[in-house]
Amino acid sequence: DTEVTQTPKHLVMGMTNKKSLKCEQHMGHRAMYWYKQKAKKPPELMFVYSYEKLSINESVPSRFSPECPNSSLLNLHLHALQPEDSALYLCASSQKEADTQYFGPGTRLTVL
Amino acid sequence: GESVGLHLPTLSVQEGDNSIINCAYSNSASDYFIWYKQESGKGPQFIIDIRSNMDKRQGQRVTVLLNKTVKHLSLQIAATQPGDSAVYFCAESRNDYKLSFGAGTTVTVRA
Repeated sequence: DTEVTQTPKHLVMGMTNKKSLKCEQHMGHRAMYWYKQKAKKPPELMFVYSYEKLSINESVPSRFSPECPNSSLLNLHLHALQPEDSALYLCASSQKEADTQYFGPGTRLTVL
Repeated sequence: GESVGLHLPTLSVQEGDNSIINCAYSNSASDYFIWYKQESGKGPQFIIDIRSNMDKRQGQRVTVLLNKTVKHLSLQIAATQPGDSAVYFCAESRNDYKLSFGAGTTVTVRA
């Protein structure tokens, strides 16, 4: 089983709202990732968690706040987003670094 | 700079024909390469991977070829089917967490 699940599938929020994206995997993977993907573009790495610790932050604005409550869960907390933050947010996981990353279906986010 | 790129942004192929999708990379330190397929409204789906100590790897209807001399990666799809219509991304890694994606090739299968 190589399934990564993400909720919600779609999210519409205003610029003053606070919302959270959720990601879950039960493959025993120790690395989890958040990517942002704009239309017709490749995914762009935002954050990497390794063994539940933040390993990489690709200079992401502080209005995006990641959290890894345990080895199976990854959250992305959103606050005071801008319309240009509208995108597909993808979660991925891998057994370890430099290993195959498996992606979830994504959350389609629209910021009004 | 260091990047992974695809030669063509679009590819149209007749159903039943073989498809070849190309990718060039510039970092000779890259040692792990992956092909992903992304259908509309879905996340990238792993297709096949190859490490730098190999030059060819085969899966079900797919073959990945790696030419380290010219820094070229290709994905061959045999007997292309309508369900193969998607955007295909190559990605490379240098033994760390970061994947560098190419720009993507949109494959359209003609009936």
